[in-house]
Amino acid sequence: AQSVTQLGSHVSVSEGALVLLRCNYSSSVPPYLFWYVQYPNQGLQLLLKYTTGATLVKGINGFEAEFKKSETSFHLTKPSAHMSDAAEYFCAVSGSGGGADGLTFGKGTHLIIQP
Amino acid sequence: GAGVSQSPSNKVTEKGKDVELRCDPISGHTALYWYRQSLGQGLEFLIYFQGNSAPDKSGLPSDRFSAERTGGSVSTLTIQRTQQEDSAVYLCASSLLNSPLHFGNGTRLTVT
Repeated sequence: AQSVTQLGSHVSVSEGALVLLRCNYSSSVPPYLFWYVQYPNQGLQLLLKYTTGATLVKGINGFEAEFKKSETSFHLTKPSAHMSDAAEYFCAVSGSGGGADGLTFGKGTHLIIQP
Repeated sequence: GAGVSQSPSNKVTEKGKDVELRCDPISGHTALYWYRQSLGQGLEFLIYFQGNSAPDKSGLPSDRFSAERTGGSVSTLTIQRTQQEDSAVYLCASSLLNSPLHFGNGTRLTVT
């Protein structure tokens, strides 16, 4: 069994400020972890993924996330927020490469960018 | 290349009517998923097809929901006797085996 908890349904930051979106997971097997972004009226787009190897992974649009096994966390960060980053962000966990039915999503965090 | 295509993009229907939602996956993707996205509820898994294997229907919320995938490609999600609680965005995704999912833009269903 696996689950994902995203802390904060809404996060607001100023343009140029650090973005931090929190994700904690539980998994009975070594996890594969993902962040997806959803812009208004669109589907989900893969931002980045962790499977094995380096625990700090870099994704598109300047985002990165660090897998911390001891904290069961996979928080998403970006050093400097841009207005175009405003969207819904979903963390997901899988027991495999993400293509099987074991993919579980968090409830999402709505990122608001203040000018 | 072409992504996952879903149609219609919006559907308004009266309570009690049947609806069909269509998904055209990325060519060559063997796995196809349906999810339901309700406001504030994240993504709810509905059904999963992988190649020629029997689909995993464990997420379907009731027997009013069914889905089929013809020829290992196009999929149709059918909701019979729609209810107001069925109103949501229905997302389709496809992938290669053990690879990240590629999502369509969804169908927004409104039951009046």
